This record gives sequence, C-alpha cells and structure tokens, in this order.
Amino acid sequence: TQLLEQSPQFLSIQEGENLTVYCNSSSVFSSLQWYRQEPGEGPVLLVTVVTGGEVKKLKRLTFQFGDARKDSSLHITAAQPGDTGLYLCAGAEVWDSNYQLIWGAGTKLIIKP
Amino acid sequence: SAVISQKPSRDICQRGTSLTIQCQVDSQVTMMFWYRQQPGQSLTLIATANQGSEATYESGFVIDKFPISRPNLTFSTLTVSNMSPEDSSIYLCSARRRGYEQYFGPGTRLTVT
Repeated sequence: TQLLEQSPQFLSIQEGENLTVYCNSSSVFSSLQWYRQEPGEGPVLLVTVVTGGEVKKLKRLTFQFGDARKDSSLHITAAQPGDTGLYLCAGAEVWDSNYQLIWGAGTKLIIKP
Repeated sequence: SAVISQKPSRDICQRGTSLTIQCQVDSQVTMMFWYRQQPGQSLTLIATANQGSEATYESGFVIDKFPISRPNLTFSTLTVSNMSPEDSSIYLCSARRRGYEQYFGPGTRLTVT
C-alpha cells in the first residue's frame, strides 16, 4: 500500500497571502484528486490531475501533478476567508481490476480576514 | 458528479445500542464506500459496499461490528453495532461512478454516550 504525505497539516495566514500545500509519495499514482471539506459537510472534489506535469487552474487555485506522477501541489493565490477548510489529497492506486484511493493526512487551512 | 444523501445527519446514542446509517445516490454507481473521520482529520476507509455480495472490509474493521448492505446500485446502509464511546465519529458514504473520482455524502455525526 502506498503512502501519501501531505504538508503542512495546519496553516493559518492572513487574507491576501499566498500558500502552497504539498502531497508526496515514493510511488506512482494513476491520478490524484484534491478535495475541500468544510465543517459539517462531506469532502467536495475540486480537481483531478491525471497526466504527469499537468497543471489545472480553478480561479485562484492552481493544481500541479509532478512529472513522475508521485507528487502534487495546490497553490492558492491571494487567499480569502472563503478558502478556509480542510484540504485533502487522494492518490488513485489501480492494479488489475482493483482500485483504491490513498488519502493524505489533510491540511487544515484558516484564512484570517 | 453524483448527489449523495445520508440519514441521519447526526445522532446521540447510548452505549451498547446500534445505529443504521442510510446512503442514497441520485444515480447508479459502480462502487460505494463507507469511511470514518475524526473532525479535522483525514478519512479512514471502513469497507467497500459490493452490490449483491458481502462488503469488503479494511484491516481493523469487521462485519460483526459494521454490517453493510447494498441491495442495489444506488443505496447502501452501514450499521454501527454494540456502540461504545470510541465509535463516536463522523461516518461518510462515498460513491464512484466511473474513473477514479469519488463523491461524498454530507456525513453522519455520531456521538456515543
């Protein structure tokens, strides 16, 4: 079973600052997903990256998949209080007809106004 | 995407009792999953709910404690049996339609006293 290390686990910054969250593994994933979860809600899928080196943008959020498909990053530009939440990365491990998601530990992000 | 509902949204139960959580998906999905999550932390997979056959449990989770049903492609239940305070957690239902993306219900917050 692969491990997915996510950092930092906690981040509290002022509105307007930039930040980056990292997910790293020693093994290759078929794809990697990023989720955001707010208190009292389930995780909501933000993006899926599939191809090595792929970059996807969602407004002020930029997601990148490493060239070797072992790592990914989420960069938020000019963070806003609405970005506050728990961010989770999940790598898809696929073998034969089997599938599972390997979850990072999560990053609790607080954006202070 | 898929819209997933869960019932109940929260409950407070006494030690030794059982609670059944229902999960309904708005369309047919290939796979359904049950997770457990402590507030602010990552997800732990309990089991994969297989349609028409027994669920597949992860290490540390057993059928006697967490019986699961999946009578069709849109519905599943998870029962938490003979509860203890250690079972207090958020229980999340998830579904995979195709590809490697998963969608989540809003969760059931369980408190055992």
